[in-house]
Amino acid sequence: GQQVMQIPQYQHVQEGEDFTTYCNSSTTLSNIQWYKQRPGGHPVFLIQLVSGEVKKQKRLTFQFGEAKKNSSLHITATQTTDVGTYFCSSGNTPLVFGKGTRLSVIA
Amino acid sequence: NAGVTQTPKFRVLKTGQSMTLLCAQDMNHEYMYWYRQDPGMGLRLIHYSVGEGTTAKGEVPDGYNVSRLKKQNFLLGLESAAPSQTSVYFCASRRASVGETQYFGPGTRLLVL
Repeated sequence: GQQVMQIPQYQHVQEGEDFTTYCNSSTTLSNIQWYKQRPGGHPVFLIQLVSGEVKKQKRLTFQFGEAKKNSSLHITATQTTDVGTYFCSSGNTPLVFGKGTRLSVIA
Repeated sequence: NAGVTQTPKFRVLKTGQSMTLLCAQDMNHEYMYWYRQDPGMGLRLIHYSVGEGTTAKGEVPDGYNVSRLKKQNFLLGLESAAPSQTSVYFCASRRASVGETQYFGPGTRLLVL
């Protein structure tokens, strides 16, 4: 079946450093979605991309490659509010989620 | 709009007890899902439903049953709870169109002793 893998599993950064998480699929994807889960919270939708798209949300930059298998989320100058686990997911129903990347930001 | 709600928020069970987790959504979404989340394991799909009266198995369905008698509700049942079912359970819903956003409930924390 379709698998979505994320790396790294954990990332600890100093506040102000950049952060990137990668999402790789074993098959081509029609679209990709990114979610953020704060500690103790539930996943919240961030963005959706289709093939070849690059989108920005303030300090967050999302990319989805032309090959439709790879995506990344880059955060510039991390802040303590960025702490949480970032998940990618794709496919039609049911959505397949990666295991997520847990980001810790040290002030 | 309350969005997606889950009851209860927290529950402690003894091994062998049964319980039902309720998920309700007021967005008229066709699709509903139950996930479990364990440390380091991400979100694993238990069961899902693409419409009233229909359900399907996900990645980890064993030990769970579901029912979708009304479009707005999706019930997850544990007939005989086991310690391995200690987890955080999330319900989610979305529209039927491709690429629609999935909305999650706040979660139910279940401890099985």
